[in-house]
Amino acid sequence: EAGVTQFPSHSVIEKGQTVTLRCDPISGHDNLYWYRRVMGKEIKFLLHFVKESKQDESGMPNNRFLAERTGGTYSTLKVQPAELEDSGVYFCASSQSSGANVLTFGAGSRLTVL
Amino acid sequence: QKEVEQNSGPLSVPEGAIASLNCTYSDRGSQSFFWYRQYSGKSPELIMSIYSNGDKEDGRFTAQLNKASQYVSLLIRDSQPSDSATYLCAVSRSNDYKLSFGAGTTVTVRA
Repeated sequence: EAGVTQFPSHSVIEKGQTVTLRCDPISGHDNLYWYRRVMGKEIKFLLHFVKESKQDESGMPNNRFLAERTGGTYSTLKVQPAELEDSGVYFCASSQSSGANVLTFGAGSRLTVL
Repeated sequence: QKEVEQNSGPLSVPEGAIASLNCTYSDRGSQSFFWYRQYSGKSPELIMSIYSNGDKEDGRFTAQLNKASQYVSLLIRDSQPSDSATYLCAVSRSNDYKLSFGAGTTVTVRA
């Protein structure tokens, strides 16, 4: 079984530019989550999809972040315009049910904003 | 106050020794507790979950939970060089997806 796949693994952009991160969950997993770890901080929850619907986006930091999951398969997280404080690692996770004990994480996408 | 705090690392132990990792949390409503292991550049991997006070053992790993003290720990017995990684403590109010993570403790097992 393929795991959760994220790309790019590392992206370096200038402040003010746009970046789109992609997550491919495990096939058949209806639940998809985004978390992030900014420099020197803990991993923080961003949002949760069930299929194509946003169930909880309480962790999204501001309106520069837009997450989509068209068709309920892969998801994208767009940051526009990127700021320096957005630098960090963005993790995606998926699960069949919403129970945390079956969350499978991807390796993360590292974002560096210069 | 941070939601989840872990003992600061790095923690260096000799091969075969016991590595002890500690974690405290601030939300008394927390019900579910997890330990993840993360190798450098890799995904966090769930290694233990615990929901009730007491000890839970799985192979060389033992998780201990004390809700009254808001404390959860992880013991790694007979530490191996392959255990060298960052260990993340995570809690949630119920068995759900919104995990609160600690900053992690990096463990190095010396051969």
